[in-house]
Amino acid sequence: SQQGEEDPQALSIQEGENATMNCSYKTSINNLQWYRQNSGRGLVHLILIRSNEREKHSGRLRVTLDTSKKSSSLLITASRAADTASYFCATATLYVASGTYKYIFGTGTRLKVLA
Amino acid sequence: GAVVSQHPSWVICKSGTSVKIECRSLDFQATTMFWYRQFPKQSLMLMATSNEGSKATYEQGVEKDKFLINHASLTLSTLTVTSAHPEDSSFYICSADDPRNEQFFGPGTRLTVL
Repeated sequence: SQQGEEDPQALSIQEGENATMNCSYKTSINNLQWYRQNSGRGLVHLILIRSNEREKHSGRLRVTLDTSKKSSSLLITASRAADTASYFCATATLYVASGTYKYIFGTGTRLKVLA
Repeated sequence: GAVVSQHPSWVICKSGTSVKIECRSLDFQATTMFWYRQFPKQSLMLMATSNEGSKATYEQGVEKDKFLINHASLTLSTLTVTSAHPEDSSFYICSADDPRNEQFFGPGTRLTVL
């Protein structure tokens, strides 16, 4: 499969709680990005973390990266009903021969935040 | 961040017709663009890498003659679904790398083939 794995596949929490999503991948990467997608809509870029970084924050988002375990996690703190969406990780691998990056998406986590 | 547009945002066509989808980087030049397909409630599957001035690189299992890609300029890549059939109905999304190798996505095109 060309895709990474994300877990859980679906997550339902109460407003105000924290939501944690995990992403595992198979190959060496240059960077990992997290995206959000509302039902039937396009992708919204959330955060990019490079392979030499271990943690990044952006507002209520916290992303960690463990390259030794080939995994990343996305934490959304103090969740809101408006955070309800699908969340995907995407890993970027550099193909030296062509000098381009190839992006592989994870299977996604469907988050539902109950008001 | 950089802006990538797609046109049209949705299209409905009859089986057997061809449909062209455009992907444009509006405020940066992109030597590389990517085309993805997403079926309902599934993740994005990379179809091909579009390289300006050269042939596209297709992923395994993607028919080159079915999904024609042209990257004629540094700001435009097109995907043509030839002789579309109902099983081609999907959400098609393009993305482009900016000079910092950060990826920006278009809003997507929803194709429905009757």
